[in-house]
Amino acid sequence: KAGVTQTPRYLIKTRGQQVTLSCSPISGHRSVSWYQQTPGQGLQFLFEYFSETQRNKGNFPGRFSGRQFSNSRSEMNVSTLELGDSALYLCASSLEWGGSGDSTDTQYFGPGTRLTVL
Amino acid sequence: GNSVTQMEGPVTLSEEAFLTINCTYTATGYPSLFWYVQYPGEGLQLLLKATKADDKGSNKGFEATYRKETTSFHLEKGSVQVSDSAVYFCALSDLNNQGGKLIFGQGTELSVKP
Repeated sequence: KAGVTQTPRYLIKTRGQQVTLSCSPISGHRSVSWYQQTPGQGLQFLFEYFSETQRNKGNFPGRFSGRQFSNSRSEMNVSTLELGDSALYLCASSLEWGGSGDSTDTQYFGPGTRLTVL
Repeated sequence: GNSVTQMEGPVTLSEEAFLTINCTYTATGYPSLFWYVQYPGEGLQLLLKATKADDKGSNKGFEATYRKETTSFHLEKGSVQVSDSAVYFCALSDLNNQGGKLIFGQGTELSVKP
């Protein structure tokens, strides 16, 4: 079974631009989560989607948004980029991530998109 | 709130040495616990997991036991190899039937020398 895929793998943008990152989950997985990884802050949760609905959101400004499509693929968008948005953005998928009442579900991660803001 | 604390790195070992990376957590309820590994330039790979107290997760020679009495999930390996050089993250699932998130420790960098 194919793993989680993310595109593109690398992006270079300038301040003020916007960017869209894409994530395709493992086949059959309905939950997609996004995390930001930086050397200073470590791994921080951005948001989680299940059946096209955002169920949970981390403590990030409204410039960070996302969506999920009916095939479970997800995109995240960052508008008005700032230098501090430079990071590795990781997508993770899981079967239902608690949606069926199973608290033992596991998240599987993609390779990430490395975003550099100049 | 829930949190995870890992021993600070970097940790440098010689090949075939014994490895322990400490991880302790604070949580309400009964979270699942995970170890993920990140090789340079890559995403996170699930190394092992445990879903309830006294469970032992194991994979590729790595082991960790879910200790509720000490709120710990220490990672161990009896004999490390150069190929084990990576960053290791301990995590817990902050999860209910409305979803949730993983909460990560700060990561421990392991360097194994031949």
